[in-house]
Amino acid sequence: DVKVTQSSRYLVKRTGEKVFLECVQDMDHENMFWYRQDPGLGLRLIYFSYDVKMKEKGDIPEGYSVSREKKERFSLILESASTNQTSMYLCATLRDRPYFGPGTRLTVL
Amino acid sequence: GENVEQHPSTLSVQEGDSAVIKCTYSDSASNYFPWYKQELGKGPQLIIDIRSNVGEKKDQRIAVTLNKTAKHFSLHITETQPEDSAVYFCAASSPGGSYIPTFGRGTSLIVHP
Repeated sequence: DVKVTQSSRYLVKRTGEKVFLECVQDMDHENMFWYRQDPGLGLRLIYFSYDVKMKEKGDIPEGYSVSREKKERFSLILESASTNQTSMYLCATLRDRPYFGPGTRLTVL
Repeated sequence: GENVEQHPSTLSVQEGDSAVIKCTYSDSASNYFPWYKQELGKGPQLIIDIRSNVGEKKDQRIAVTLNKTAKHFSLHITETQPEDSAVYFCAASSPGGSYIPTFGRGTSLIVHP
C-alpha cells in the first residue's frame, strides 16, 4: 500500500512566520503535488514536482515555494505566512492515480 | 485547461435512499475519472474510478457512469448508510495535462438515520 505522510496534522502560526509543511512518500513515485482545500473551492493545485529538484507551478502558486531535494520528500514553504493562507493542505503522489496524505490544517493568526 | 463542474454542493438523503452526484468536464481528451471520499479530518480516499473506454463500473453499492459524448460522469450510491456521510470529489485527467487531475468542488453528502 502506498503511504503518504505529512509532518503535522494541525499547525498554528503567526502572520509573517516562515512555515514548512513536509510530505514523505514510501513508494518511489516521481510525481508529487501540493493542494490546498477550502470550503466551496475544492482542491486547488499549488505546486507539483516530476522529479528531484524539479518543480512546476500549479494554479495558485503565489505566496508559496517548494523544495524537492530527495525523491521521497516534497516540502511546501510559506515564506511569510498570511491569514489568507489558513487552509487545509494536502500532499499527493501520482502513479496510476493520485494518492493523498492525511492533510495539514494550518491556521495563521 | 480542464474544467470540472460538480453538482450538487450539498446532498441530504434518508438512510436507504440512493444518492447521485454529477460532474461535467471540458477537455474531450480526458480519459481517467476517479472519485474520492473525504471523511472529516482525513485526506481523500479513492472509492471508484473509470476510464474512457468503459461506460459504467460498479463496486457493491457504488457505481460510476460515463458519457463521453456529453462529457459528464456520475457517482451513484445505493442503499445509503450514515457512514456514507462525507465529502465526495470527482476529478478528470488527460494525457495532455500530464495526467494531473483537475478536481470538482466537492459534494457534502449527509445521510440521516
